[in-house]
Amino acid sequence: DVKVTQSSRYLVKRTGEKVFLECVQDMDHENMFWYRQDPGLGLRLIYFSYDVKMKEKGDIPEGYSVSREKKERFSLILESASTNQTSMYLCASSFLGTVGYEQYFGPGTRLTVT
Amino acid sequence: GQQVMQIPQYQHVQEGEDFTTYCNSSTTLSNIQWYKQRPGGHPVFLIQLVKSGEVKKQKRLTFQFGEAKKNSSLHITATQTTDVGTYFCAGGAAGNKLTFGGGTRVLVKP
Repeated sequence: DVKVTQSSRYLVKRTGEKVFLECVQDMDHENMFWYRQDPGLGLRLIYFSYDVKMKEKGDIPEGYSVSREKKERFSLILESASTNQTSMYLCASSFLGTVGYEQYFGPGTRLTVT
Repeated sequence: GQQVMQIPQYQHVQEGEDFTTYCNSSTTLSNIQWYKQRPGGHPVFLIQLVKSGEVKKQKRLTFQFGEAKKNSSLHITATQTTDVGTYFCAGGAAGNKLTFGGGTRVLVKP
């Protein structure tokens, strides 16, 4: 069974704090993704990575950065958290291919910035 | 950039009835995927469609990919309480990136 784990289910941070969200997958997937989910907006892609040390901006990268030092681990960093970054953050992983493969999602981290 | 619109946003269904949710893309897609998210859960992959005009069935669920590869639909027959959740379509483009629709939240009245 594919397993995607995220470091926290719930997180409360103050405005201006640096926030790290970690994601680990155990299926040797090349692709890893970070999304945020807000009601009515679906899932919006923040960043993705198709290889170690490689990263691509998604649709809403502003205010975020990522790090992928090992194949199984993909970190999302909020350099200076703001209240509009309060959201559910979902990590996903998949194999890399010419046609897309299914994405496996972690349980999510609900982040509240006060 | 690519946009994927999904309608309706909410669907209240009487148990036993059928319903359809629709997905439309602003650009031609390489593939489309459908996911289901149960309340309090995370999205789980249901199916992928790749070919123009493709139709796939999973028990009471029927998925279609439009001829122009810009739209898709999910039809559920004889809705059950286990169908409760939010259904997302996601359009695929180059680089295995997906653009998700806003989702259709399904509520079932027993």
